[in-house]
Amino acid sequence: GESVGLHLPTLSVQEGDNSIINCAYSNSASDYFIWYKQESGKGPQFIIDIRSNMDKRQGQRVTVLLNKTVKHLSLQIAATQPGDSAVYFCAENKGGGSQGNLIFGKGTKLSVKP
Amino acid sequence: DGGITQSPKYLFRKEGQNVTLSCEQNLNHDAMYWYRQDPGQGLRLIYYSQIVNDFQKGDIAEGYSVSREKKESFPLTVTSAQKNPTAFYLCASSMTGINEQFFGPGTRLTVL
Repeated sequence: GESVGLHLPTLSVQEGDNSIINCAYSNSASDYFIWYKQESGKGPQFIIDIRSNMDKRQGQRVTVLLNKTVKHLSLQIAATQPGDSAVYFCAENKGGGSQGNLIFGKGTKLSVKP
Repeated sequence: DGGITQSPKYLFRKEGQNVTLSCEQNLNHDAMYWYRQDPGQGLRLIYYSQIVNDFQKGDIAEGYSVSREKKESFPLTVTSAQKNPTAFYLCASSMTGINEQFFGPGTRLTVL
């Protein structure tokens, strides 16, 4: 029979609008979080990161918000452009510390309508 | 140009054959990683290496093997014991003590 693949959560926005992508993390001991952007058929690219001693960090057109109380992370993209269309992954470091092992979420697919 | 490279970009193999995926980095990073990505899913860790001549199993190491004879290189062998090897394979590297990982462009492996 036909196999059915898993469907990513999808966010569709109009060009020029702001986008908010959400992520719930699992490990309260994680002290580092990172967002990656992955275009189709390519490797993930770093967008922005944040340490647990911060609530907010801003980059160019992007902002990451961290709510440790509810273990929630969000990525905000201002003035979304067609080139922002991609899958976005959040990741947390495993068990804290700086060992580099990251746990990745399943991703959210962002589609930007012109 | 500093970066991390993977080859080949596309790889086809017949069932029962072992195949080795290449990963090279010139970033002088100590740590290197291999991930598997299936459609609609996140990245799952296969193996990682924090230093030359040492490596550890990740979450899905069965059916895979690695070596780390040089700092720059971390090849992954997909063995015939891996029951479902068709996937997109990603290699990454990072500096010791730094969480950010840099990714290569990936190798798409298809078993015929």
